[in-house]
Amino acid sequence: DQQVKQNSPSLSVQEGRISILNCDYTNSMFDYFLWYKKYPAEGPTFLISISSIKDKNEDGRFTVFLNKSAKHLSLHIVPSQPGDSAVYFCAASARKTSYDKVIFGPGTSLSVIP
Amino acid sequence: DVKVTQSSRYLVKRTGEKVFLECVQDMDHENMFWYRQDPGLGLRLIYFSYDVKMKEKGDIPEGYSVSREKKERFSLILESASTNQTSMYLCASSSGTGRYGYTFGSGTRLTVV
Repeated sequence: DQQVKQNSPSLSVQEGRISILNCDYTNSMFDYFLWYKKYPAEGPTFLISISSIKDKNEDGRFTVFLNKSAKHLSLHIVPSQPGDSAVYFCAASARKTSYDKVIFGPGTSLSVIP
Repeated sequence: DVKVTQSSRYLVKRTGEKVFLECVQDMDHENMFWYRQDPGLGLRLIYFSYDVKMKEKGDIPEGYSVSREKKERFSLILESASTNQTSMYLCASSSGTGRYGYTFGSGTRLTVV
């Protein structure tokens, strides 16, 4: 039972165009959402996050949108660059008594074609 | 540059061996985590620790144990390695709440034959 879903295992986008990576979640207790980026042979690196009290957060070329009613979030990369080619993991966090439980999605592999 | 260091990038072990995966962080983080990454399954939490000598089971602790004797070091132990434990293992650390992001190590690719 996957609580965080990324239904597209892979995505190809032309350089300069917009990349849109989608993520759906099932647990309404999640109150913080994060995106990580992972290159081969490296660990994931934190990219951007959004609190459930917001519907948008922007950081340079990266924007995350949250639709709480649909339990859906998306990461937009504009413009896409070849260096953005990586696996992107969506993650959702729920507060427990003394820690945050973070659930990761299965990842979407993005290829940006020059 | 702050980092999380995993002692081995690649390991090959035999079924039944006891395997130790070591992780060290230099950021004075309270929290440390062990995940495994498998295709189509994402990152799944094995164990975590929010203080020295403290440990908590994650979602898939069976067949694993951990040790945290010092704040900077968190070890994952496979008591008796099996082929279904062939995976990429990732260590991470965080300060305070994890909603501000984890710092991950580069991973250890373990193959059990």
